[in-house]
Amino acid sequence: DVKVTQSSRYLVKRTGEKVFLECVQDMDHENMFWYRQDPGLGLRLIYFSYDVKMKEKGDIPEGYSVSREKKERFSLILESASTNQTSMYLCASSSPSREGVVAFFGQGTRLTVV
Amino acid sequence: AQSVTQLDSQVPVFEEAPVELRCNYSSSVSVYLFWYVQYPNQGLQLLLKYLSGSTLVKGINGFEAEFNKSQTSFHLRKPSVHISDTAEYFCAVSDVGAGKLTFGQGTILTVHP
Repeated sequence: DVKVTQSSRYLVKRTGEKVFLECVQDMDHENMFWYRQDPGLGLRLIYFSYDVKMKEKGDIPEGYSVSREKKERFSLILESASTNQTSMYLCASSSPSREGVVAFFGQGTRLTVV
Repeated sequence: AQSVTQLDSQVPVFEEAPVELRCNYSSSVSVYLFWYVQYPNQGLQLLLKYLSGSTLVKGINGFEAEFNKSQTSFHLRKPSVHISDTAEYFCAVSDVGAGKLTFGQGTILTVHP
């Protein structure tokens, strides 16, 4: 089975801190994604990557950056955390040619910024 | 640009009743369509997908959905729900050949005994 692992289930950070959210997938997928989930808003795409060292902005990239140095790892960075970034963050991976382009999701990281 | 609208934010039903969760999308190109389910404190799990072919697709746990291109809809149905189906359901769309998904706002299905 495809496994997407996010490094933390719960995080509490202070305003202004630099925050790293890590995601690793074990299926050699080319595509990786970071979404943010808020009640009533569904999932919104922050950043995505179709290849190593490649990144593209999603719908809500402001206040975030990403890094993809290795194919299996995709990191989301909050340069200076703010309270409006308190949310559930979900990582996903997929392949354009396998598993019917289905995206597989991690368990999520619930981030609270105080 | 694509968009997805889930027409009901909450759907309460009694156990063993049928249920339909509605989803409409807009896109200027051909699309793939998906339904995902999220149980409390978990990530998203694929229920079913439409890529091409038959417009009626069957998924896990007895769910099915019908792709209607003329009405740009992809409604999810189950003839008889169980308590364990209580969860949040998300409809999603992607361009054919692209990987990124656009999600609807989610529908919380609550099954009462």
